Amino acid sequence: DTAVSQTPKYLVTQMGNDKSIKCEQNLGHDTMYWYKQDSKKFLKIMFSYNNKELIINETVPNRFSPKSPDKAHLNLHINSLELGDSAVYFCASGQGMGSPLHFGNGTRLTVT
Amino acid sequence: GQQVMQIPQYQHVQEGEDFTTYCNSSTTLSNIQWYKQRPGGHPVFLIQLVKSGEVKKQKRLTFQFGEAKKNSSLHITATQTTDVGTYFCADLSGTYKYIFGTGTRLKVLA
Repeated sequence: DTAVSQTPKYLVTQMGNDKSIKCEQNLGHDTMYWYKQDSKKFLKIMFSYNNKELIINETVPNRFSPKSPDKAHLNLHINSLELGDSAVYFCASGQGMGSPLHFGNGTRLTVT
Repeated sequence: GQQVMQIPQYQHVQEGEDFTTYCNSSTTLSNIQWYKQRPGGHPVFLIQLVKSGEVKKQKRLTFQFGEAKKNSSLHITATQTTDVGTYFCADLSGTYKYIFGTGTRLKVLA
């Protein structure tokens, strides 16, 4: 059973397009996150949600819009994609503050 | 904002040699977690350190939290090829905000 699942695994698209990444966790966790990992492997937090409420929006351009329809799902929609958006996007979940994060397998986004 | 730096950035070792990565912060660390990311994989939680001076062991891995809570380290004894990957520390910096270190990429030569 996959604990945190993301789709799609790969996403190749052109500049200016809009795309979405979906994330679901079956761990019963209250908190979900989006992280961006660039080509140098730096992991940067983008958003965190607790019980469907946005907690952290880490100075991410407003072209990125997360949505949490329920506490098991956190989707990421990106408008007007730019070359610099190319990265691996990881969804993660955790049970409360200070608990370990469980990561999904990542979505590799390539913008051409 | 808080910066969490890890050194070295890269490390190549011969199989059987020891390896250490250091995690340093510009501010006091509150709750350090360590993760391992295999090539092409996702970060996987290894351990959590909370108390000043804390030392924890997992088989060949030893984790330490500095006395002043400004640094942490991960030491691997007698590396194996299965240890290959990128090791990250992460600090809980505020509500539901984990700041990840810059990572150390380990290559083990057989």
